Amino acid sequence: GDSVTQMEGPVTLSEEAFLTINCTYTATGYPSLFWYVQYPGEGLQLLLKATKADDKGSNKGFEATYRKETTSFHLEKGSVQVSDSAVYFCALILKIIFGKGTRLHILP
Amino acid sequence: DTEVTQTPKHLVMGMTNKKSLKCEQHMGHRAMYWYKQKAKKPPELMFVYSYEKLSINESVPSRFSPECPNSSLLNLHLHALQPEDSALYLCASSQDWGAVFFGSGTQLSVL
Repeated sequence: GDSVTQMEGPVTLSEEAFLTINCTYTATGYPSLFWYVQYPGEGLQLLLKATKADDKGSNKGFEATYRKETTSFHLEKGSVQVSDSAVYFCALILKIIFGKGTRLHILP
Repeated sequence: DTEVTQTPKHLVMGMTNKKSLKCEQHMGHRAMYWYKQKAKKPPELMFVYSYEKLSINESVPSRFSPECPNSSLLNLHLHALQPEDSALYLCASSQDWGAVFFGSGTQLSVL
């Protein structure tokens, strides 16, 4: 069946460090892929998406490229800030199957 | 308007109470969802409404009863809940299985 696997956290980085959170998927057909972010006590916010192979989603300095050959959608940011501390979920459509979430801590 | 609005934000109820969670969106989305999220876990799908018809029920106990009065509203009626039902309940919507937009959730505590 369809599934999403992402690196388990927590991930702890210093401010201005480079961030990669890995995400791979298994799906029949060609899903759309998403990254969501959840700040403490809040719902999930759509961070970025890609709907077909080689598409790059980007938002707020975060990027992810839909790699069909490696079935991956890794999230990257060149220089993280304390305000990026949150839980990040990789997801795919149709039934929006979530990975387990990766908790990110940024130290000032 | 890209918001999904949920009320109330917090709810405390006893095991014999009846309460309802409400969700509203004005993005013209025709798919609406209820998710349950326990602490430090990903959201778990409960129900999906497509064009106001229940299309997916993920074997949710009958003490949870969804209702979709119209294309903008989604309710979740709660009755005789158990303490283990305490969680964050998230409403979401999407257009034709595209990106899903979430509300801020209702934090439910069952005593």
